[in-house]
Parts: sequence; C-alpha cells; structure tokens
Amino acid sequence: AQKVTQAQTEISVVEKEDVTLDCVYETRDTTYYLFWYKQPPSGELVFLIRRNSFDEQNEISGRYSWNFQKSTSSFNFTITASQVVDSAVYFCALSEARQGGSEKLVFGKGTKLTVNP
Amino acid sequence: ETGVTQTPRHLVMGMTNKKSLKCEQHLGHNAMYWYKQSAKKPLELMFVYNFKEQTENNSVPSRFSPECPNSSHLFLHLHTLQPEDSALYLCASSQAKGVRMNTEAFFGQGTRLTVV
Repeated sequence: AQKVTQAQTEISVVEKEDVTLDCVYETRDTTYYLFWYKQPPSGELVFLIRRNSFDEQNEISGRYSWNFQKSTSSFNFTITASQVVDSAVYFCALSEARQGGSEKLVFGKGTKLTVNP
Repeated sequence: ETGVTQTPRHLVMGMTNKKSLKCEQHLGHNAMYWYKQSAKKPLELMFVYNFKEQTENNSVPSRFSPECPNSSHLFLHLHTLQPEDSALYLCASSQAKGVRMNTEAFFGQGTRLTVV
C-alpha cells in the first residue's frame, strides 16, 4: 500500500532561518510522482512541485529546494531564509495510478510551519 | 478568476437538512475529485470522475452523493449528515492522460462544512 509519512507535525522558526520539512514515502510502483502542496489559512492547496520517480535531480526554485533520494524514499523540502508568509501547512503527496488515467494522491498528514517575525 | 472554484465557502447544516456543494473548474481538465480534510487526519480521497464517469468511490457513505454533469462541474449532494462529517471538503481537477496522469492536481479553496 502507498503511504506518505511526514513525521514533523509542527515546526516553529524565526524569520530568516532555514527549515527542512521531511517526507518519507512507501510504494511498490516503479513509476510514480511526488508532490508538495502548501495550504495557507485560506484553505486551498497550492501546488509547489511535482517530481517524476526517474528524475533524482534536486531542484531549486527561489528560496525553495527539494532533495529527492530514492535510496531512502525521501523527498524533503527546504525553505531558505524563511519569511512570515511561508507560514502554512505543507503536504507531501504520492501519486497512485488509477484506472482510466485519473490519479489518486496519497497525502501525508502535513507539517504546520510557523515563521515568527 | 481562480482555476477551481468552490461554493459555498462555509456551510452550517442540521442533520436533517439537504444541501449541495458545487465545484467548477476553468482549466479544461477532464478529471475531477472530491477530498475530505478532517482535523488531525490526512486528506482522504472520496470520489473520482474521469470524463464525467465516476471511476472511484472510496467507500464513502451513501449520505454523500456526487454528481458530475460535465467535465467542468462537480457537485456533492449531502443529506442526513452526522456531526463527524464536519470537515473541509476540497475539490480538485487534473488532466488525465492515458495510463498515468503526470500533471498536478489543482485544488479549490474548499467548503468548510459544519454539521450541527
């Protein structure tokens, strides 16, 4: 069965600190996709990144970076020089192919990040 | 205009009421989803529609009844709900391609439902 574990329930940092959100996944699929979503207080899930299981290159987008390691089944997310606006709940998710081409996202429980001024 | 719009944003209903949640996507996607987000629990997939056909019902009680009249609209009809059904209900859409979807799902802002 597919499973995503975000061991950190809540993290609190001071502005400008770097913070890493951990994500460990389990799957028997050889092809899968990993995602990170941000959920601000307004409620919607904002897509941050999608990573193909065959692409282990790390990715950097501004202050955000992702470290994908298949050997440890981890897909960690780092925010550099955190800002108050980064405060949100962050979800890691794993895709599971479904019949007909639709996709089921298996989500972790989320990590609530609070960035204090 | 956001890609996925949900109405209403907030809903309070009694256990004997009947109400409906609406979702509309403006992204040209062909798959739509209902997710439930309860406090302290991971997001749970409820229903999947692909090209207007329901392809998954994740053991959801019959008091939740989905409807997908076209690829752009998705409804969730509610009747005789229980207080434990109070949650944030999120709609999402994606572009399904062949065997695998390799595009991300886009989510609406959700409907915060409270059953009293």
